[in-house]
Amino acid sequence: SQQGEEDPQALSIQEGENATMNCSYKTSINNLQWYRQNSGRGLVHLILIRSNEREKHSGRLRVTLDTSKKSSSLLITASRAADTASYFCATDPGANNLFFGTGTRLTVIP
Amino acid sequence: EAQVTQNPRYLITVTGKKLTVTCSQNMNHEYMSWYRQDPGLGLRQIYYSMNVEVTDKGDVPEGYKVSRKEKRNFPLILESPSPNQTSLYFCASEGTGELFFGEGSRLTVL
Repeated sequence: SQQGEEDPQALSIQEGENATMNCSYKTSINNLQWYRQNSGRGLVHLILIRSNEREKHSGRLRVTLDTSKKSSSLLITASRAADTASYFCATDPGANNLFFGTGTRLTVIP
Repeated sequence: EAQVTQNPRYLITVTGKKLTVTCSQNMNHEYMSWYRQDPGLGLRQIYYSMNVEVTDKGDVPEGYKVSRKEKRNFPLILESPSPNQTSLYFCASEGTGELFFGEGSRLTVL
């Protein structure tokens, strides 16, 4: 399978704590993206990191990419209750398709 | 407002009754795609289109058809739906590498 795999499957933290989610994949990629999905809603793009980048920031989000280990991590700092959602990594191998993992379900407790 | 619009959002139908899920985007994107989301399986691509009159199969195209007669529209057609097509369907269009998703269409086939 070309899908990424997120870890953990579920994560529950207190508001204000940091949340870290990991993604592992198997094929070479052009870029890796992270998406967020509120329950039953459409996915929303969060951040894209290219294969030649190692780290990227966007607001409270920090993404790292290690192509030698075929892994990425998404860090959400100072979490808020509104961050409660499922988070997906998606790999782009340049084949007109994004391959999504099964997601990490994050619950932020107020 | 930039958006991808799908209809219907919810549909219950019976085996064999043809149905169409419409998708429209207002961002002038050339690339559009359909995904289905099932528990434990993540998002899987059904069909994609690189431009008008150009469509191609994704990972799970069996039982589906698409057309791309206009740039903004990319309908998904189920000629003879079966219960295993019960799923949450998402249309997406691509701009600068990121996907913009519709809100989803929850389809139940009895």
